[in-house]
Amino acid sequence: KAGVTQTPRYLIKTRGQQVTLSCSPISGHRSVSWYQQTPGQGLQFLFEYFSETQRNKGNFPGRFSGRQFSNSRSEMNVSTLELGDSALYLCASSLLSGRIYEQYFGPGTRLTVT
Amino acid sequence: KQEVTQIPAALSVPEGENLVLNCSFTDSAIYNLQWFRQDPGKGLTSLLLIQSSQREQTSGRLNASLDKSSGRSTLYIAASQPGDSATYLCAVRSLSGGSNYKLTFGKGTLLTVNP
Repeated sequence: KAGVTQTPRYLIKTRGQQVTLSCSPISGHRSVSWYQQTPGQGLQFLFEYFSETQRNKGNFPGRFSGRQFSNSRSEMNVSTLELGDSALYLCASSLLSGRIYEQYFGPGTRLTVT
Repeated sequence: KQEVTQIPAALSVPEGENLVLNCSFTDSAIYNLQWFRQDPGKGLTSLLLIQSSQREQTSGRLNASLDKSSGRSTLYIAASQPGDSATYLCAVRSLSGGSNYKLTFGKGTLLTVNP
């Protein structure tokens, strides 16, 4: 069974631009969560989508948004990029949403903002 | 607010040593705890998942324990090998508003095993 895939793997953007990252979950998984990883803050939860609905949201500004499609694929968008948005963005999928369901992580998208 | 701390931040050991990585969390009302491995620039690989009702889990040379009441977990790696070199992350799943749950991560321990 294929794992979680994320595209693109690497991205370089300029301050003020916007960016869209994509995540394809493991086949059959319906929940997708997004995380931001930086050297200073570590791994922080952004949001979770389940059945095309945002279930949970972390403490990030409104510039960070996401959506999920009917095939469970998810996209994350960051508008008006800032230098501090440079990070590894990780996506994780689980069969369903809830505390007992283990999350499986993708390889991440490395975003560099210049 | 749940906070997860991992000690030490970095550890360097010679090949063959047994070692222990520590993880502590501030809110003992967790549902499970997970240990991950992350290689440089890569995603996370799940190593062990311990449910809140369990005391330990084992997989090969890895053993993770959980003491929920004291807010602590340890990851024991036996007979370490250079291929074990990576960052090890601890994460706890706990309630996050209403009926939602989220993973809160520690900042990790960078392990280097020297041949």
